[in-house]
Amino acid sequence: DIQMTQSPSSVSASVGDRVTITCRASQGISSWLAWYQQKPGKAPKLLIYAASSLQSGVPSRFSGSGSGTDFTLTISSLQPEDFATYYCQQANSFPPAFGGGTKVEIK
Amino acid sequence: QVQLQESGPGLVKPSETLSLTCAVSGYSISSGYYWGWIRQPPGKGLEWIGSIYHSGSTYYNPSLKSRVTISVDTSKNQFSLKLSSVTAADTAVYYCARYAPLPYAGDYWGQGTLVTVSS
Repeated sequence: DIQMTQSPSSVSASVGDRVTITCRASQGISSWLAWYQQKPGKAPKLLIYAASSLQSGVPSRFSGSGSGTDFTLTISSLQPEDFATYYCQQANSFPPAFGGGTKVEIK
Repeated sequence: QVQLQESGPGLVKPSETLSLTCAVSGYSISSGYYWGWIRQPPGKGLEWIGSIYHSGSTYYNPSLKSRVTISVDTSKNQFSLKLSSVTAADTAVYYCARYAPLPYAGDYWGQGTLVTVSS
């Protein structure tokens, strides 16, 4: 099975900051990666699919990049509503493992 | 608008079977997509449990495979999860979701339902 490792596990940032989250797969997954945002008490929300494709309705300040084993999610200018936990998920093969999550906190 | 809604008991006794149903509206399950279950223990990360394709093919997490059954009822436009021999470690919020075939990403999710395993 493919394992997903996210870093950092948490990050403190201010409104307006650029934030980058990294996800690494234990083996190559081409561009088959998704990113989700989860706020407390809510279901995850799909942000990015196929590593860099923005899901409909998601603000353009979110972007994804990478292929193979290394991927990044970037928030270009952090907004108050972006404080949440972010998860990557490999979409290459079953089982589609999630990363451990990155909590973006207010600095 | 596609909507998913989980339902089922919020409390299950150890060694018994957890049963949940996900009712889908705004989209016909038989038209396509995968339909999956994901869980999240309190304060922890997400764990994929398994999926069923609209054709009936099922895919399970190897760590749970011996205890999991996912089925679909196209006449009611819903799909179900059964997890047998539960323990306290199965206490979690259980989500149902629709997954696109390629790439496999969950684009619509239910609100989640907390299931507690306790005597």
